[in-house]
Amino acid sequence: GDSVTQMEGPVTLSEEAFLTINCTYTATGYPSLFWYVQYPGEGLQLLLKATKADDKGSNKGFEATYRKETTSFHLEKGSVQVSDSAVYFCALSDRGGSARQLTFGSGTQLTVLP
Amino acid sequence: SAVISQKPSRDICQRGTSLTIQCQVDSQVTMMFWYRQQPGQSLTLIATANQGSEATYESGFVIDKFPISRPNLTFSTLTVSNMSPEDSSIYLCSPRVACTDTQYFGPGTRLTVL
Repeated sequence: GDSVTQMEGPVTLSEEAFLTINCTYTATGYPSLFWYVQYPGEGLQLLLKATKADDKGSNKGFEATYRKETTSFHLEKGSVQVSDSAVYFCALSDRGGSARQLTFGSGTQLTVLP
Repeated sequence: SAVISQKPSRDICQRGTSLTIQCQVDSQVTMMFWYRQQPGQSLTLIATANQGSEATYESGFVIDKFPISRPNLTFSTLTVSNMSPEDSSIYLCSPRVACTDTQYFGPGTRLTVL
């Protein structure tokens, strides 16, 4: 079945540091890939997405590129801020399935220190 | 994007009681997904609900424990029945909005069972 493997946390960085959170996936079809973010005490928000190979999703300075050859969708940001402290979830939606529900990674807790 | 509301936002309940969580969406929804996020964990799909048909439950979840209603295209409820402390989680609804391939999430209901 489908699965998502995420870099284990927690990750602690200083403000303005470079961020990478690794995400790899296994899917039988041609999935869409997503990064969701959960800020402290809040619900899940879509951060960015990519629907086909070589697509780059971007939002709020975050980027991720859909790499079919390495089955990866790593999240990057060039300069993190304290306000980026949150839990980040990588997810896929396999378009081959009729329901197309999301399969989530385990989440990565990011803490950015001033 | 869709505007999604959930009620209650949080609750503290006694063992053996039941709680019904409401999810309201401002757009017509093709499918409604209900997820559970246990403390410190990722999201796990409970069930998928189409309007006018019985919900489809994932392995480990049963209708008697988590009955779902879907009376129209913009509203759904999830009931957590005969609660135990192990049911303490955040419960999130996630509508599949018509004509989009993006999954949005409600703000969640934080449930604590004593």
